[in-house]
Amino acid sequence: TQLLEQSPQFLSIQEGENLTVYCNSSSVFSSLQWYRQEPGEGPVLLVTVVTGGEVKKLKRLTFQFGDARKDSSLHITAAQPGDTGLYLCAGSTGSARQLTFGSGTQLTVLP
Amino acid sequence: EAGVAQSPRYKIIEKRQSVAFWCNPISGHATLYWYQQILGQGPKLLIQFQNNGVVDDSQLPKDRFSAERLKGVDSTLKIQPAKLEDSAVYLCASSLGAGGWSGANVLTFGAGSRLTVL
Repeated sequence: TQLLEQSPQFLSIQEGENLTVYCNSSSVFSSLQWYRQEPGEGPVLLVTVVTGGEVKKLKRLTFQFGDARKDSSLHITAAQPGDTGLYLCAGSTGSARQLTFGSGTQLTVLP
Repeated sequence: EAGVAQSPRYKIIEKRQSVAFWCNPISGHATLYWYQQILGQGPKLLIQFQNNGVVDDSQLPKDRFSAERLKGVDSTLKIQPAKLEDSAVYLCASSLGAGGWSGANVLTFGAGSRLTVL
């Protein structure tokens, strides 16, 4: 079973601050996805990274896949209250058909 | 396009009672997933169907949980008898394809069914 550890578990910051959340594993993944989940809703896909060292940007969000494809980070610049939510990473191996989710980082951005 | 529909949204039952959840995936999506998300944790896969066949049910507690996918479209997840530790949100997701990574393997989740077992 591949385990994905996310840190920090909880993060509370003021509007305008920058932040980084991490997703680490001892396993190699062929792809890694980041989701955001709001209360009472299902997770919504933000991005998929598939190449070691890959960096993807989505407006104020920057996603990076580690060179060894075992870890990933999500950096948010100038956080806004609308960024509040549970951020989940999920890894997939090449032959497996299911995603393994991390435990999530609960982000609260205060106005 | 319509999203993944789930019902009921909320259910409260006593332990040892039974409960059933229903999921209608996005039209044309071959693969359907049921996940269990306990408060403070990430989703855990319970069962994955491709069309009406089971692909993976290795983490489904088969002594009390069962699931079926009728005619390769809708699906139901049943718990009988329920235990206190079954309190969780049950998420249904669907994807166009399955197997490895490809753009067809993007999962779309429903809003979930929140179960409270007293």
